[in-house]
Amino acid sequence: DTEVTQTPKHLVMGMTNKKSLKCEQHMGHRAMYWYKQKAKKPPELMFVYSYEKLSINESVPSRFSPECPNSSLLNLHLHALQPEDSALYLCASSPRGIAGTGELFFGEGSRLTVL
Amino acid sequence: GDSVTQMEGPVTLSEEAFLTINCTYTATGYPSLFWYVQYPGEGLQLLLKATKADDKGSNKGFEATYRKETTSFHLEKGSVQVSDSAVYFCALAGFQGGSEKLVFGKGTKLTVNP
Repeated sequence: DTEVTQTPKHLVMGMTNKKSLKCEQHMGHRAMYWYKQKAKKPPELMFVYSYEKLSINESVPSRFSPECPNSSLLNLHLHALQPEDSALYLCASSPRGIAGTGELFFGEGSRLTVL
Repeated sequence: GDSVTQMEGPVTLSEEAFLTINCTYTATGYPSLFWYVQYPGEGLQLLLKATKADDKGSNKGFEATYRKETTSFHLEKGSVQVSDSAVYFCALAGFQGGSEKLVFGKGTKLTVNP
């Protein structure tokens, strides 16, 4: 099993809603990542969890709240988002942190639209 | 911090044409280098990688050689197919903004016409 699975694939939410994005991997990887990708741009790193602890927060606004319940699961809780937060949110994993091979395994992404 | 500069495109080619996408980098030390590909509607996939100078990464007919002297990692393919149409990102495992991370170039969109 070499997949990173993200749900939902598409999400539309209002600015007052609370929703969550979910990510799951069963490759035994110990580092998991959230990226944000706007159209025609490269992915931007948001958060990194290493061995279930938050190791990098790229100064992301508090309306995005990550959670890593266990080594296979990663959530991104969304609250009071703005229309400019509309983007493709990508989850990724790696056997260790970037200090390892630097090879990331990406999910297909969750397409978020904020109205 | 470390950075990657790649040819932005878009690049449009006919099937069976030769492809080159240029990538140069600025980094402290000798980082591992990567090419990732993103097909329409999908996430990114690792296409190939090289971990030290003069290494050649290859996969699916694509090749790239880690050139320390020119700080480059250009992507090449001898004969592209319509199915190669995608966005290609050059990346390095390095430091940016004080964090160790995968540093991406801006991406190059490739369209291959039959």
